[in-house]
Amino acid sequence: DTGVSQDPRHKITKRGQNVTFRCDPISEHNRLYWYRQTLGQGPEFLTYFQNEAQLEKSRLLSDRFSAERPKGSFSTLEIQRTEQGDSAMYLCASSFNFRGYTFGSGTRLTVV
Amino acid sequence: EDQVTQSPEALRLQEGESSSLNCSYTVSGLRGLFWYRQDPGKGPEFLFTLYSAGEEKEKERLKATLTKKESFLHITAPKPEDSATYLCAVQAATEGGSQGNLIFGKGTKLSVKP
Repeated sequence: DTGVSQDPRHKITKRGQNVTFRCDPISEHNRLYWYRQTLGQGPEFLTYFQNEAQLEKSRLLSDRFSAERPKGSFSTLEIQRTEQGDSAMYLCASSFNFRGYTFGSGTRLTVV
Repeated sequence: EDQVTQSPEALRLQEGESSSLNCSYTVSGLRGLFWYRQDPGKGPEFLFTLYSAGEEKEKERLKATLTKKESFLHITAPKPEDSATYLCAVQAATEGGSQGNLIFGKGTKLSVKP
């Protein structure tokens, strides 16, 4: 068990470009969550998968954001036409049902 | 609306000076209350989950307690390596139980000076 892995750790992109982040959860975990954290704030929920089904989306997740979890394994979060306000730490977490809620190290996105 | 408020926002302690961090919450049915530690530039590191009022959990110099309205994280004789941001989060027991996302407070930034 290597924990929750996120890639890349850092991403700098120009405004208007598309970016994609990857999350590999703990292998036996069936639930996967995406959060966003800005400086001085706690993480804010974005979306959640149970196995391959996306069951919940926050109002924070605009139509420029899309997430997938093919085959219930790894997940990707894509942001299209990035804006400076998208600059944040994007965190992935996984759990088995409601237990063992574990976060990855995050992807730091900077939009210039 | 489910909400978590942490206080103080920042806390400076001398090494060995014990103190407590507060987490007040309002939630429509509590499934669990979580404490995490977060170092700069890293993801939250799990510390404790508490499920019912009166429950207590300990780990090294940390002890978490839970009432129906708040939780405390007690730090006994802290060391400089305990310096970090401590995050509190609640998980609501929603109808159908299909969610499971955590609602976080803004955190308490703890600095322990030698």
